[in-house]
Amino acid sequence: GAGVSQSPRYKVAKRGQDVALRCDPISGHVSLFWYQQALGQGPEFLTYFQNEAQLDKSGLPSDRFFAERPEGSVSTLKIQRTQQEDSAVYLCASSFSQATSGRVAEQYFGPGTRLTVT
Amino acid sequence: RKEVEQDPGPFNVPEGATVAFNCTYSNSASQSFFWYRQDCRKEPKLLMSVYSSGNEDGRFTAQLNRASQYISLLIRDSKLSDSATYLCVVNGITSGGYQKVTFGTGTKLQVIP
Repeated sequence: GAGVSQSPRYKVAKRGQDVALRCDPISGHVSLFWYQQALGQGPEFLTYFQNEAQLDKSGLPSDRFFAERPEGSVSTLKIQRTQQEDSAVYLCASSFSQATSGRVAEQYFGPGTRLTVT
Repeated sequence: RKEVEQDPGPFNVPEGATVAFNCTYSNSASQSFFWYRQDCRKEPKLLMSVYSSGNEDGRFTAQLNRASQYISLLIRDSKLSDSATYLCVVNGITSGGYQKVTFGTGTKLQVIP
């Protein structure tokens, strides 16, 4: 299929470990978003890329969180020294609209990575 | 005040009933509006866009009221398969010229046989 894919689907980390979560957006989609979703809550914005440029990282909860998209396609979200409060589903979404387009297009989500920190 | 607010529910309705959800937003400069549906332990999926003129897709009708800054979703003739969480999404362009996407916390719908 040509949808957004994420890996791994499930990750269990011991507190203090580093993790890396991968997102493969839909081919040709310029915009890529990362969200964190806690149980019973809506997705919370983390960061946004347009091509390889990280235009907004205001949602990253701490400096332990880092995201990159070096070639403007695949993106990685890295969490250093994981804490229990990092346990959540991490969703990636892509969109074909650009940052400055007049109308913001809908996003297509990947299945998410469920991170459990023990 | 949250940027996007929804009643979390749950809304428990019998099959065949009509149910409506509202979502309020605080940023008057918001440009695009969507309803997403999220099933338990699944990713959100686009249900419909919301246009100023209102739009209808089968049993679903979405409305936008810019003056009062809310959007609504109406589901007629509810089916068991409509049971899900409905997420309101508000998009805008920031002063820096890039997208800002804000999700509501979602409204849970349970359709009962």
